[in-house]
This record gives sequence, structure tokens and C-alpha cells, in this order.
Amino acid sequence: AQTVTQSQPEMSVQEAETVTLSCTYDTSENNYYLFWYKQPPSRQMILVIRQEAYKQQNATENRFSVNFQKAAKSFSLKISDSQLGDTAMYFCAFMKHNDYKLSFGAGTTVTVRA
Amino acid sequence: DGGITQSPKYLFRKEGQNVTLSCEQNLNHDAMYWYRQDPGQGLRLIYYSQIVNDFQKGDIAEGYSVSREKKESFPLTVTSAQKNPTAFYLCASSMGQGNEAFFGQGTRLTVV
Repeated sequence: AQTVTQSQPEMSVQEAETVTLSCTYDTSENNYYLFWYKQPPSRQMILVIRQEAYKQQNATENRFSVNFQKAAKSFSLKISDSQLGDTAMYFCAFMKHNDYKLSFGAGTTVTVRA
Repeated sequence: DGGITQSPKYLFRKEGQNVTLSCEQNLNHDAMYWYRQDPGQGLRLIYYSQIVNDFQKGDIAEGYSVSREKKESFPLTVTSAQKNPTAFYLCASSMGQGNEAFFGQGTRLTVV
């Protein structure tokens, strides 16, 4: 079974600063997909960013970028120029290629301070 | 509008009663999922379905049951066998392998 580990339960960052969230996963597969989802206080889950394991280039979406280290099985999320609206819980998720099972980590609560 | 709808938003039940949570999507997605969210434990997968009339157990299926008779619908029944049913339940759907999952707004179930 695949496991997704987020080792930081909570993080706090000053507005306009940068914060990095860690995620590690355990798999014997070579092809898979990784995701970061955001859950704001409304509890509506929103996709932040998606990475395909066979693509070496790190995915980027505006102020959000990832550092994908396949050999280390690490998939960290960097939020640049943090905004108050970034305050949310962030979840890392994993899906094997040729599978539909989508597994999540325990989440990291990010608080952006004004 | 296309989307995924969970109902009701809040649900109260007495201990020992079965209860069914509704999840409907009009996104024409093949895959559907049910997750349970508890404080500090993230999202734990209960059941998922790749296609109509087929579903697989997730990591915490005990005490739950599902059906997938229509592509649009994936109801979850919380049975009396579930020891700690009080939780926030999220339903999701996706096109499948490697694609983004879209989530409903969740159902908060409280068993008293």
C-alpha cells in the first residue's frame, strides 16, 4: 500500500514571505501522479498543483511550485509571496499509474499572518 | 452548472441507526470516491468506484457500504457497525487515472 506522509502539522508565515511544505511518499512504482490540494476554512477542496512522475520538470502554478525529488520520494510545495487567502489546510496526494485509488496525507495547516 | 453535490450538509442520527449520505455528479466522471476527515488524520479513503456497478474498498471500509448503480450517483451508507461514525465526509469524482479530483462540499454527520 502507498503511504503519504506530511510531517508538519502546522506552519505559520508572514504575508509576502515564502513557506515550504514537505511531503514524502512510499511506493515501489515507477509511474504515478502527485497532487497538492488546498482546503480553506470553507472546507471546499481545491487542486493546487499536479505532477506526473515521469516528467522531470517541476510543476508550477503562479505562486505555487513543487520540488519533486523522485529518488528521495519527496514532493514539497513552495508558496511564494504568501497571501492571507492562502490560509488553509494543504494535503499531498498520490495515485499510481493505471490505478484509480487516490491517497492523501494527514495535511498541514498553513496560517498566513498579516 | 457542472459539479458534485453532497446532501445534506449536516446530518444527525441516533446511535444504532443506519444512515445514507448522498453524492451526485453531473461531470460525466467515471471515478467516484468517499473520504472521511477527522481532525489530525487528513482524508482517509473509505470506498472508490472506477465505473458503474463496480467499487473497491479503501483503507477504512469497515462499517460502511456503497453502491454504484448509476454513473452520476455514489451513495454511502454508514451502518451501525461503524464504531465512531461522527465525522466529516467528503465525496469526490474524477475522469480517472492521474486526473484532478473534484470534491463536494461535504456532509457533517453527528451520531448521538
